[in-house]
Formats: sequence, structure tokens, C-alpha cells
Amino acid sequence: GAGVSQSPRYKVAKRGQDVALRCDPISGHVSLFWYQQALGQGPEFLTYFQNEAQLDKSGLPSDRFFAERPEGSVSTLKIQRTQQEDSAVYLCASSLESGLGRYFGPGTRLTVL
Amino acid sequence: TQLLEQSPQFLSIQEGENLTVYCNSSSVFSSLQWYRQEPGEGPVLLVTVVTGGEVKKLKRLTFQFGDARKDSSLHITAAQPGDTGLYLCAGARTSNTGKLIFGQGTTLQVKP
Repeated sequence: GAGVSQSPRYKVAKRGQDVALRCDPISGHVSLFWYQQALGQGPEFLTYFQNEAQLDKSGLPSDRFFAERPEGSVSTLKIQRTQQEDSAVYLCASSLESGLGRYFGPGTRLTVL
Repeated sequence: TQLLEQSPQFLSIQEGENLTVYCNSSSVFSSLQWYRQEPGEGPVLLVTVVTGGEVKKLKRLTFQFGDARKDSSLHITAAQPGDTGLYLCAGARTSNTGKLIFGQGTTLQVKP
């Protein structure tokens, strides 16, 4: 079966531009997670959905970051007015339940110039 | 402040050697997971441990959860070049949380 897919795989943005990153979770997975990973570091939690409900957004670094999952399946992470410090790999993961192991997508590498 | 500290951060060994990676915290975790990540890919789940003192084996990999559920270790026997990658531990503070806290990772290089 298909795993978690993310698009685009690479994104280059000029500082100040808005970007939208898409995540297609594994079909039937209730929980969806977004993480940010800097080079050589472990992923940092951003936000978590259970179906369409965003249950925890405590990791979003600023109000420029916004995530949605309107129909409980595909999710979009939007970053407004991108800054250089937003450059990172953005990982999406899904799981059947929140307490189980995550299945990660390949990530979107965002570079802000 | 890193809630989960992994050590060592980097490890370069010869094929056939044994190694242990440690994941330590001052906090108690409901469960702990280990992942392996290769360049350009997302982390892949290796194991989940939930009971203090639990030991799980996956071929040449042995995972242990500390009795107090504050630490964990990953031991690899007779490492092979295919074991090369970034090893990450990740803990959940409660059983129903969606927030998984990752360590900073251990980069392992196994030379043929």
C-alpha cells in the first residue's frame, strides 16, 4: 500500500513569500502530525490532528504558521511571509491512533533565500 | 533544553563491531520509540517500548527501556554498512498524547 506522501519534495521561496506544503497520509489513519527538522537534528513537533480536529498546535513557532486538515485526510501546512529561519525539512507523519508509531513521509525541504 | 539526550552524537565504526546508543532524560515517559532515518527520507519506526525494564530484539538490534522509564538504549551487534544512518529516540509523556519528543539523534557510520 501507499505510504505517506508529501509535495512538493523541494521548495525554494524568496523571503516574504507564502508557501503551502501538502501531506497525503496513509488511508484510514486518524492521526496526522507535522514536524520540522533542522539539518543534523531530530524532528521538532509542530502540530497534531485527530481526524479534522487540530488537538495540539503548541509547537508552531509563530502565527505565520498555519495547518489545516478540513476533511480529516489531506493536510496542508502554510507558512506566511517566510523567513530564512524557516528553512528546514518539514515532515508529515500519520498513524492509526495517536499513541502508536508514526509513519513518516519523505519530507519537504524548504529553502528560504 | 533537550528533553531527550542522545549519546554519542556521532559514531564511526568498522563492520563487525558492536555499539550502544543511549537515550536519557530526567522525565518519565509513557512510551519510547526508536527510529532510523536515511538522508532524504523520513524516519522509519524500528520499535516501541512501553513497559519499564522491557527488552525487545529486532534481528541484531536490542532495545531496552529503563526500569524507571526515563531512559533507553539501542545495542547493535556485528554492525553492517547497511546499518548506517541517523538513529532517533522519541518519547511520549502520556499514552494519549499526539506530541512525540525526539532526541537530537545519533549519526552512525559503519565502514566496510
